[in-house]
Amino acid sequence: ETGVTQSPTHLIKTRGQQVTLRCSSQSGHNTVSWYQQALGQGPQFIFQYYREEENGRGNFPPRFSGLQFPNYSSELNVNALELDDSALYLCASSLDRGLYNEQFFGPGTRLTVL
Amino acid sequence: AQTVTQSQPEMSVQEAETVTLSCTYDTSESNYYLFWYKQPPSRQMILVIRQEAYKQQNATENRFSVNFQKAAKSFSLKISDSQLGDTAMYFCAFMKETSGSRLTFGEGTQLTVNP
Repeated sequence: ETGVTQSPTHLIKTRGQQVTLRCSSQSGHNTVSWYQQALGQGPQFIFQYYREEENGRGNFPPRFSGLQFPNYSSELNVNALELDDSALYLCASSLDRGLYNEQFFGPGTRLTVL
Repeated sequence: AQTVTQSQPEMSVQEAETVTLSCTYDTSESNYYLFWYKQPPSRQMILVIRQEAYKQQNATENRFSVNFQKAAKSFSLKISDSQLGDTAMYFCAFMKETSGSRLTFGEGTQLTVNP
């Protein structure tokens, strides 16, 4: 157990809908990263939040957005869902940003878009 | 851009034997970290071992060790005395100094340990 939790575990949505995924980081961790893992592939970096501000973004469209809160929780929001958004979404928290900080992953949220 | 390649989609090994998983990467960075993560069916990504690029000595964690060849940009994972609990997807990952702890993952290798 890493101390990082995610909710919900599974989620089914239809194309065009909006979804919010939640992550609770380890206490004291001011950095959270979100990854998308399609079936049979490695995780792809979506974005990172550091002290409640976006701190780097991968190759994902603006309909993927996020929030980080002072209580070490964060959200990933996806608007106008597409079939290709079906994936496992992982969050990872670290004590700080930068090269020397280990990331601790949550168990993920499995999103299915029909 | 950095790329990480794992050329073995699946591997299997008998319990108690040794197996080596391969990983190559491409980068122009001089300071970076390399990682091996394990993802069992429970989906939780677990750090197995990490290697700092400026350290010549290969990292070791109990039954897990790496062979880091910086010039060849190769980073293989050796698992000794394989156990049934080692069955999982293994991902090689790269993090550069200027990326703010962003990880770039390979496609993964599914390892099955047979009794």
